[in-house]
Order: sequence, then structure tokens, then C-alpha cells
Amino acid sequence: GAVVSQHPSWVICKSGTSVKIECRSLDFQATTMFWYRQFPKQSLMLMATSNEGSKATYEQGVEKDKFLINHASLTLSTLTVTSAHPEDSSFYICSARDWGGGEQFFGPGTRLTVL
Amino acid sequence: AQSVTQLDSHVSVSEGTPVLLRCNYSSSYSPSLFWYVQHPNKGLQLLLKYTSAATLVKGINGFEAEFKKSETSFHLTKPSAHMSDAAEYFCVVNAGKSTFGDGTTLTVKP
Repeated sequence: GAVVSQHPSWVICKSGTSVKIECRSLDFQATTMFWYRQFPKQSLMLMATSNEGSKATYEQGVEKDKFLINHASLTLSTLTVTSAHPEDSSFYICSARDWGGGEQFFGPGTRLTVL
Repeated sequence: AQSVTQLDSHVSVSEGTPVLLRCNYSSSYSPSLFWYVQHPNKGLQLLLKYTSAATLVKGINGFEAEFKKSETSFHLTKPSAHMSDAAEYFCVVNAGKSTFGDGTTLTVKP
């Protein structure tokens, strides 16, 4: 099956710094990638949808200047959390969808802890 | 607009007994429906999916789900629970983008 990787799997950073998370589709071309965050014991909440080569579409309430998304190629999307604060600590999960537009394939997630 | 309701936040069963995790959905379009499992601090694993073919869908690890349009339901079942089934389960509806249910925590007692 299709494989999506995320890097890093976990990261700890100081408040005020920026953190970049990578999402890669390893064996297919992902025309669309999605970024979710998940708080402990809660469901996944969609943050934004990105299509290769165009600007991401952010869900209501998600600060686009804080969560920068780049989808520069068909196999890579990045999420940069700028000026991170402790409340940004969460589990971030990406998913990717190919040309067929059907099933999403999820990455293993990245746990961000902001001190 | 679309939404998903997982009717039970927690389900507890004994090992070897049947599992039923309930999911109801609403969608303006004919959606695709999915069940995912998430073990602690892990990513999501697809159990099964419905994409307008057979209404009874068989998945991995002995799980299956039946799509019932008249009831707008997509309940997940397994005849005999195993200890390794203990995890969080998410029902997902997709008619363009995915909407997740709140999840059901499955506990399996020995």
C-alpha cells in the first residue's frame, strides 16, 4: 500500500522558536496533502489542505501566519510552526491523496512539545 | 456539509466476545466511509473502507462494517475480540475532505 512518512517523529523546542515538520509520500504522487492536529484523548482536527503548487486552504480558526504550509512538490509538504508556544504542543498528522482523489494515506505523526 | 457521530466514547468487552462500534454519518453527497484504528502514540491504520461497492465491507484483523444508507450508519464489528484490539477507533466520512468522528476507545478485558 501507499506509504507516507513524517519527519521528525518527535521534537522538543523552546518557546519562541520555529519548527518544521516534513510529510513525504514515498511511492506515489500526492496532489493533495492534509495537515491535522490531535490533542490528547481527542479526535483529529483538520488544519489545512494543500494542493501541489498552490496556496494551502486553512480551516476556520487556524492561523495561516503561524502554521505555514508549503507543498512545493508532488511528494513533499512541510508544516512550519512559527514562534511556537506551549499551547502549540500537540500531535501533528499529515495525510496524502493521489490523482485518483479517493483514499487518504496517513503519516505516523509528529509529536511536538514546546517548553 | 458532512458530519460523523460515534455513538459510544468507550466500549469495553471481554476477550473472545463480539465487538460493536457504532457510527452514524450525514452527508449531502454519496460519501466514502472509513474506519481507522490508532494505538497509543501511533499514527492511523486503515481497517476498512466503503466506496459505493458492496455494502458489507471486510477489513483487516477480522473487522467488518456494513453500510446502511437507510439508517445512515456504518457500524464496525468483529466476532471475537483480541487483547491487541484495544485501541482508539475513528469513523471517517469523506465527500471531498475527511471528517473524523470523536473516536471510540475500545478496552478488551482478559
